[in-house]
Amino acid sequence: SQQGEEDPQALSIQEGENATMNCSYKTSINNLQWYRQNSGRGLVHLILIRSNEREKHSGRLRVTLDTSKKSSSLLITASRAADTASYFCATDSAGNTGKLIFGQGTTLQVKP
Amino acid sequence: DTAVSQTPKYLVTQMGNDKSIKCEQNLGHDTMYWYKQDSKKFLKIMFSYNNKELIINETVPNRFSPKSPDKAHLNLHINSLELGDSAVYFCASSQVVGPPQHFGDGTRLSIL
Repeated sequence: SQQGEEDPQALSIQEGENATMNCSYKTSINNLQWYRQNSGRGLVHLILIRSNEREKHSGRLRVTLDTSKKSSSLLITASRAADTASYFCATDSAGNTGKLIFGQGTTLQVKP
Repeated sequence: DTAVSQTPKYLVTQMGNDKSIKCEQNLGHDTMYWYKQDSKKFLKIMFSYNNKELIINETVPNRFSPKSPDKAHLNLHINSLELGDSAVYFCASSQVVGPPQHFGDGTRLSIL
């Protein structure tokens, strides 16, 4: 069954605004990852947060993880038109197999 | 230089045909994966290989057969194509069995 669910499914903002996407999952995890997918392209790894971490930053990205609520959020600050893409969370919970369970993604549109 | 390359990018064929999708990575990674992304962007893992050995085999019809001739290649052969096989198929690789995964740009398979 699908592990991750993302909210909202679609988000439209103006350039310069912040974008927040949420992800919920069902079982315990080793880590949670966020990926970006531009239209017609493959997924690009953005950031990984381990199950014992609560917050992580990378440039304009901030990820939080709440294992008690089985949820994570991705915040993109000062968004740019180039941030327009779909964003997916993926959970790794199956030991040393590398198996990732993806959410259905949030489609972000940043208007110039 | 393309890190993970898939060929062909588009594949249009008729029901009942047999087709193959090729994947090559020049990153020196040990692990490779196949994913299927449906029309709702739901991404699900199908197979993964580590050092040419199968480590993940999800509930995928026997019509799908992965083949890894060496660590840099993981091809996907599909027999007796069905309408439900229409999707975008992504190949990915990782240095070890774990994150991050590097994705190709996908092969869009359309069954007529």
